[in-house]
Formats: sequence, structure tokens, C-alpha cells
Amino acid sequence: EAGVAQSPRYKIIEKRQSVAFWCNPISGHATLYWYQQILGQGPKLLIQFQNNGVVDDSQLPKDRFSAERLKGVDSTLKIQPAKLEDSAVYLCASSLDQGGQTQYFGPGTRLLVL
Amino acid sequence: GENVEQHPSTLSVQEGDSAVIKCTYSDSASNYFPWYKQELGKGPQLIIDIRSNVGEKKDQRIAVTLNKTAKHFSLHITETQPEDSAVYFCAADDNSGYSTLTFGKGTMLLVSP
Repeated sequence: EAGVAQSPRYKIIEKRQSVAFWCNPISGHATLYWYQQILGQGPKLLIQFQNNGVVDDSQLPKDRFSAERLKGVDSTLKIQPAKLEDSAVYLCASSLDQGGQTQYFGPGTRLLVL
Repeated sequence: GENVEQHPSTLSVQEGDSAVIKCTYSDSASNYFPWYKQELGKGPQLIIDIRSNVGEKKDQRIAVTLNKTAKHFSLHITETQPEDSAVYFCAADDNSGYSTLTFGKGTMLLVSP
């Protein structure tokens, strides 16, 4: 079974630029998550999708971050404009469904904002 | 919202020793408590989880215990090996129906040969 795929793996941008990350979840998984992991900390949930609908985006900085999950499969996370404090690893995860289901993580995208 | 505290932040042991990592949580309605292992440059990988209707779960050298009254749970690794060296995260869900996970800050485990 293929795991969660993410691209790019690394990205370096200057502040105020835009950046987008892509995630392809495990086939058949209805729930998709985007997490932000700052160095030395645990992952923090940014947004959670159930199929193509948002079920939790309470911690997403909506003035600069946006995310979509077209057709309930792939997802993109965008930052516009980026700030220095956005430097982090952005992890995508998926689960068969919500409600205590195992979350499978992708390798992450490492973002450095200069 | 849920708050998860994890201790210690770093743990060094000799190969063959046991390692214990402890977490506390704040939301008494939490029902699901997974543990993840994260190696350098990789995403977190689930190693074991426990649900609130169980007090202990074991999988070979790894075990997790849960005390719902005290709102704490622990990861126990026996007969540690150098390949166990990684960062370990505990997490707790919020029982909202969406099972949003809140993670601890992580424990860096170093197993010396």
C-alpha cells in the first residue's frame, strides 16, 4: 500500500513570497490533515478535511493560509504572503475515517522563509 | 481545548535498558491516545495506541499504560536498541467527533551501544 505522498520535500523562499504544498493521501482515506511542526515541537493541526469538506480549521491563520481538497482526494496548502515564523515542516496525514482512526503521515515539506 | 504535557524532553539510556516517557492530558473526555516515533527527516509513524476502555496494551518490546483518573499515560520500551533512537510524541484526541489530535512536545530518546 502506497503511503502519503507530499511535494516538494524542501522549499526556500523569501518573506512575502507565496508557496504551495501538495499532498496525495492513501487511497480510500476519507480524512486528510495538514499539520505544522516547528523545530523542537510536536505537530500542530492546521486544518482537517472529511472528504472535500472542512471539519476543523480553528488553528489555521486564515489571513495568509488557505487549503483545499478537490474531489475529496489530493489537497494543497498555500501560504500567501509568507512570514519568517512560517519556517517549519508541513506534514500531511490521512486516516480511513475520523473518530480515533490511525493517522498516517507523509514525509513532510521543509519550508525555510528568509 | 486539550493540553498535553510530555516528559522528559530528552532521555539517554544504554542499550538493553528500559525507557519510560510520560504524558498528561487535560480533557477528561479524551478517548484515544496514540504514540508516534519520528526519525530525522521523516514523518511521524504510529508505534502503539490505546483507547480509554483499556488500561494497558503491549506489543513486543513496547507497552503503553493509561490512568484515566489521573489523566496520564506512559510509553515503556524494554530492551532498548540503538535503532530505537528517535523523537517520540504522545497525543490525545478531543472526543469532538472529529478526533482532533493534540501532540506533546516530544522526547528525544538516545540509545547508546
